[in-house]
Amino acid sequence: QITLKESGPTLVKPTQTLTLTCTFSEFSLSTSGVGVGWIRQPPGKALEWLALIYWDDDKRYSPSLKSRLTITKDTSKNQVVLTMTNMDPVDTATYYCAHRLGITVVRGDDAFDIWGQGTMVTVSS
Amino acid sequence: QSVLTQPPSVSGAPGQRVTISCTGSSTNIGAGYDVHWYQQLPGTAPKLLIYGNSNRPSGVPDRFSGSKSGTSASLAITGLQAEDEADYYCQSYDSSLSGWVFGGGTKLTVL
Repeated sequence: QITLKESGPTLVKPTQTLTLTCTFSEFSLSTSGVGVGWIRQPPGKALEWLALIYWDDDKRYSPSLKSRLTITKDTSKNQVVLTMTNMDPVDTATYYCAHRLGITVVRGDDAFDIWGQGTMVTVSS
Repeated sequence: QSVLTQPPSVSGAPGQRVTISCTGSSTNIGAGYDVHWYQQLPGTAPKLLIYGNSNRPSGVPDRFSGSKSGTSASLAITGLQAEDEADYYCQSYDSSLSGWVFGGGTKLTVL
């Protein structure tokens, strides 16, 4: 079955750049219709969508974070990488990657059907 | 402040029916974008519960149902069970923000 797993540092300092890797199995980002997204959740708070990349290299970013985010894919390694620059303590959160469920031809109708376990990232000096 | 508004908490006794609302606007739910619901048990990743407004993924009990009307959507849970105690989130797309948005989450307590 489809699995995803996030990896990266657990602690980063303010102003540093965070690099997170999502390694997945049982699907390929070279297959039409496939997509992988990133969502985060600060402790005790709600989910926040960050970015999404599609098989055709279409990339979408949260408008409020767009200037700080970059999402890329490595189809040969079955990985998606998210980088976030200029980290701040408010970015402390659990970061999840998730498989895109395409429901209609409208990409806005996408859901996230399979999630990784998440990785907690703390921003502190 | 979330773009999609959910009640912070709801509660019900075992066996009862509860509903969780998700209120949006003309740029998201009201624009016709699908609404999806997730269940997050304590300390775990979210799980897709309802997709495309009213569809259940394989393995989700039919006690869970979703609906959408106008600028709002609802999740209904019937025959409430102790293991339903969790946080529930709605999700849709917002055209003015050009991105996917989540509700603020609702904590369900089974009394």
